[in-house]
Amino acid sequence: NAGVTQTPKFQVLKTGQSMTLQCAQDMNHNSMYWYRQDPGMGLRLIYYSASEGTTDKGEVPNGYNVSRLNKREFSLRLESAAPSQTSVYFCASSPSPGAYEQYFGPGTRLTVT
Amino acid sequence: DQQVKQNSPSLSVQEGRISILNCDYTNSMFDYFLWYKKYPAEGPTFLISISSIKDKNEDGRFTVFLNKSAKHLSLHIVPSQPGDSAVYFCAASYGSSNTGKLIFGQGTTLQVKP
Repeated sequence: NAGVTQTPKFQVLKTGQSMTLQCAQDMNHNSMYWYRQDPGMGLRLIYYSASEGTTDKGEVPNGYNVSRLNKREFSLRLESAAPSQTSVYFCASSPSPGAYEQYFGPGTRLTVT
Repeated sequence: DQQVKQNSPSLSVQEGRISILNCDYTNSMFDYFLWYKKYPAEGPTFLISISSIKDKNEDGRFTVFLNKSAKHLSLHIVPSQPGDSAVYFCAASYGSSNTGKLIFGQGTTLQVKP
């Protein structure tokens, strides 16, 4: 039981390049979330998917898109990376939208030069 | 506007003593609060939570206290151990939104010295 997995672990992009961060969970959870963590800012919600087939914006959605591919997978796409998107990205899942405890993946450290 | 604040970026305590981590919030609509622990290069892991209808929740060495009138919660770790050294995040949720969205504080780095 791997829990929440994220790929890649590290990535360096040039400004303007695009990439997709992958997230998968094997806990049969309905809800999935993408956060970014910046120094002194805590974790901020980018997008979430309360259930398969739905996605909604969080606090900081600009510059990102998401896809809930199926119940297990929730990807985050940067269409044109900017230095301000340099951050550590965490994916999380929870059993249902009303279940408050979220389980986090190990993170992806992204640097945009 | 930061709705959940952890005003102490860091805290250092001796092994065996009590660690007290604090968190303040501004939105009275929050109805559930959680603490997460994070080690370097790992994702946050859930530690303990409390509903707004309670003022205390205990789990082993960890106790969370909620003071709704002051919009303040605290995490007590007794006794502190070197393995507790990590970043601690408090988080708050609106139950009525039914989205599970969490609002996190900035985090407090706890160092427990042997």
